[in-house]
Amino acid sequence: KNQVEQSPQSLIILEGKNCTLQCNYTVSPFSNLRWYKQDTGRGPVSLTIMTFSENTKSNGRYTATLDADTKQSSLHITASQLSDSASYICVVSAKGGFQKLVFGTGTRLLVSP
Amino acid sequence: SAVISQKPSRDICQRGTSLTIQCQVDSQVTMMFWYRQQPGQSLTLIATANQGSEATYESGFVIDKFPISRPNLTFSTLTVSNMSPEDSSIYLCSVAGLAGGNEQFFGPGTRLTVL
Repeated sequence: KNQVEQSPQSLIILEGKNCTLQCNYTVSPFSNLRWYKQDTGRGPVSLTIMTFSENTKSNGRYTATLDADTKQSSLHITASQLSDSASYICVVSAKGGFQKLVFGTGTRLLVSP
Repeated sequence: SAVISQKPSRDICQRGTSLTIQCQVDSQVTMMFWYRQQPGQSLTLIATANQGSEATYESGFVIDKFPISRPNLTFSTLTVSNMSPEDSSIYLCSVAGLAGGNEQFFGPGTRLTVL
């Protein structure tokens, strides 16, 4: 069964600190992996998209990594800000179109002053 | 990118009633989707809204419960029919296929509470 698991479920860090969120997946055949940020009461916003051949991709203070062999991805947030408080959702796409997206349940991050 | 708006942003409804949610996009898009996000859960695809024809529903979702319209390439509606408290969720509109790309964009969501 295609699944995406994220850890930790929730995380509290101090402003200015770094953190890393994890995503393990069993989706096959793999097409791409996306990280989304979802603020409370808002829709998810894309941070990165990575295909099979990409190991790392950055978007400002966000850096995503992908190990297609172990089927693991991580999202590293550097120098966290209060505005980083949100849910971060890992989404893996199987080949076959947008109907084949598998969503993780997200990691809820709280950045504390 | 695409700018997506949804109406209403939130509503509180009585069981047994129906609510229609509107999704408007600022540009023509190939694909439009409707998702449900129950409290503490991940997003679940309800259906693909097809322009000019019946929507394609995922397993566990049926047209009688979630009728969908898509009269053109920028607009779609989702109706939640004969609501029960179990329908309390966030409903999200999503679009994809802008300029042939593989980006997917989400609307702000409609938070529905059924009493």
